[in-house]
Amino acid sequence: GESVGLHLPTLSVQEGDNSIINCAYSNSASDYFIWYKQESGKGPQFIIDIRSNMDKRQGQRVTVLLNKTVKHLSLQIAATQPGDSAVYFCAENNMNRDDKIIFGKGTRLHILP
Amino acid sequence: NAGVMQNPRHLVRRRGQEARLRCSPMKGHSHVYWYRQLPEEGLKFMVYLQKENIIDESGMPKERFSAEFPKEGPSILRIQQVVRGDSAAYFCASSRYGSNQPQHFGDGTRLSIL
Repeated sequence: GESVGLHLPTLSVQEGDNSIINCAYSNSASDYFIWYKQESGKGPQFIIDIRSNMDKRQGQRVTVLLNKTVKHLSLQIAATQPGDSAVYFCAENNMNRDDKIIFGKGTRLHILP
Repeated sequence: NAGVMQNPRHLVRRRGQEARLRCSPMKGHSHVYWYRQLPEEGLKFMVYLQKENIIDESGMPKERFSAEFPKEGPSILRIQQVVRGDSAAYFCASSRYGSNQPQHFGDGTRLSIL
């Protein structure tokens, strides 16, 4: 089975509020993590990544947090906008093995007006 | 600045026919990955190729499925004698240096089997 899973299949957030999407992983050998956004009818779009030697990384309106102790990853989206509506996937990889990326099942983010 | 290009976007086949899905990676990318996605699910890895080489095909069914990435031209995912269970979206991704880099995805081919 997949080693990456998500706690909530659907998340509804008021426009303008912050969104937090969570992800759990089970493979302690994974050392590279990526968040993707997938809109309906399109391919996954890279949002942000983080390597295991970091616990936080910030992008434009997004922050990824990595807690290796509990094998937990989260994506925070500030000031959520209607255009943020999509399915968000976390994915993991073991850089030393040049392995395939393993995707979680996804969380659908729904923006309330 | 073209991204990953996949064609066709939609493909309809009858059971027993062959399906050929094409993927042109981003310029300068020599690593190609194929994934399969069922509705409301994540992407499942199928195969990882570099030019003229299959690096990892651990996600490919042993029969009917094959992939290639020739020296010239796009990568091809080929499904022979398609069955209804092959209906899915097939995504291709590319990266410049390998799996430890972000993969950039195309918009997929939606395969429907009648």
